[in-house]
Amino acid sequence: KAGVTQTPRYLIKTRGQQVTLSCSPISGHRSVSWYQQTPGQGLQFLFEYFSETQRNKGNFPGRFSGRQFSNSRSEMNVSTLELGDSALYLCASSLVNRVSLNEQFFGPGTRLTVL
Amino acid sequence: DQQVKQNSPSLSVQEGRISILNCDYTNSMFDYFLWYKKYPAEGPTFLISISSIKDKNEDGRFTVFLNKSAKHLSLHIVPSQPGDSAVYFCAASASNTGKLIFGQGTTLQVKP
Repeated sequence: KAGVTQTPRYLIKTRGQQVTLSCSPISGHRSVSWYQQTPGQGLQFLFEYFSETQRNKGNFPGRFSGRQFSNSRSEMNVSTLELGDSALYLCASSLVNRVSLNEQFFGPGTRLTVL
Repeated sequence: DQQVKQNSPSLSVQEGRISILNCDYTNSMFDYFLWYKKYPAEGPTFLISISSIKDKNEDGRFTVFLNKSAKHLSLHIVPSQPGDSAVYFCAASASNTGKLIFGQGTTLQVKP
């Protein structure tokens, strides 16, 4: 069974640009969550999608957005990039929509560098 | 406001000894706690979890202890092995929110 895949693995952008990251969950998983990992901050929750609907949202500005398609694949978009957006962006999928009952399976992440 | 805190950024132990990683939380609504392990260039992988109705859960060399009154949990690894060297994240969830809140992580180094 294939794991969670994220593309691209590495990305370099400049300030002001926008970026789209992609995540394909494990087959059969309908919940997809996105996290930002920066040194000293751990993993910070961005948002969660289930059945093409955003169910939960973290405390990030509106420049961060996402969507989920009917095949459960998800994309995350960051507009007007800032230097502080440089981070590892992780996607995680789970089988059901209650994360407290099932562990999340993470992808390898997309390393975004903003210059 | 950091609701889940791992106050030790790093920990170094000798192979064969016990590793104890600590985690504190502030939100009394959290009722499910998990530990993840992360190697460089990989996503975190689930290690062990505990529900708030329990105070201990054991899986092989890994044991998680939960002290609800102190809002504290810990992960014990016995015996520690060099392959355990990784970043360990604790995470907490309130069942009515559907999202995981992670700590900052602790880097464990197990020396041969």
